[in-house]
Amino acid sequence: DAGITQSPRYKITETGRQVTLMCHQTWSHSYMFWYRQDLGHGLRLIYYSAAADITDKGEVPDGYVVSRSKTENFPLTLESATRSQTSVYFCASSEGSEWYEQYFGPGTRLTVT
Amino acid sequence: GQNIDQPTEMTATEGAIVQINCTYQTSGFNGLFWYQQHAGEAPTFLSYNVLDGLEEKGRFSSFLSRSKGYSYLLLKELQMKDSASYLCAVRDSNYQLIWGAGTKLIIKP
Repeated sequence: DAGITQSPRYKITETGRQVTLMCHQTWSHSYMFWYRQDLGHGLRLIYYSAAADITDKGEVPDGYVVSRSKTENFPLTLESATRSQTSVYFCASSEGSEWYEQYFGPGTRLTVT
Repeated sequence: GQNIDQPTEMTATEGAIVQINCTYQTSGFNGLFWYQQHAGEAPTFLSYNVLDGLEEKGRFSSFLSRSKGYSYLLLKELQMKDSASYLCAVRDSNYQLIWGAGTKLIIKP
């Protein structure tokens, strides 16, 4: 299917476990982003990538790891999940960094118990 | 620090007009975006302003004043489907998007 997809859509995991959230886009957009959204907060950027093999930290990168070996995929890994990482995670993509709008995936709701 | 302020919640009546304000203080300015987000769904793009003035797109308009650090989103002829959160985001000097917490708009019949 065309567009941007995320998997899983829902995930429950235990504290200390490693979790990987997947993001896939079919537009060949150069930029991809990971955000978390918590009640009372705006979207907060975790990591972003300008192209394959180029990633950079956002506002809240601690506890997360990303990679981008292919343009279309941008997985986010929580190395050792903590309760504070319970959140809704959105992946987004855009053609460029300037005026281009970002297109968002449907989100992954992650609960860490 | 960088800050985006929006009202937390607003209520309006079907068929009416509502204005959602956004004030910002950021390190640099490279454009302001408005997104709509229905409950449980992803944000979707509504509008983009980089120059002062009003941008109109159907029932939705967005205004920007860079000197005042201020924008508003104007929704006309409100419909029940407009019940959603409206997110204001500013692109700073590093081309990062700084997001407000969003305004939840409740439409009553």
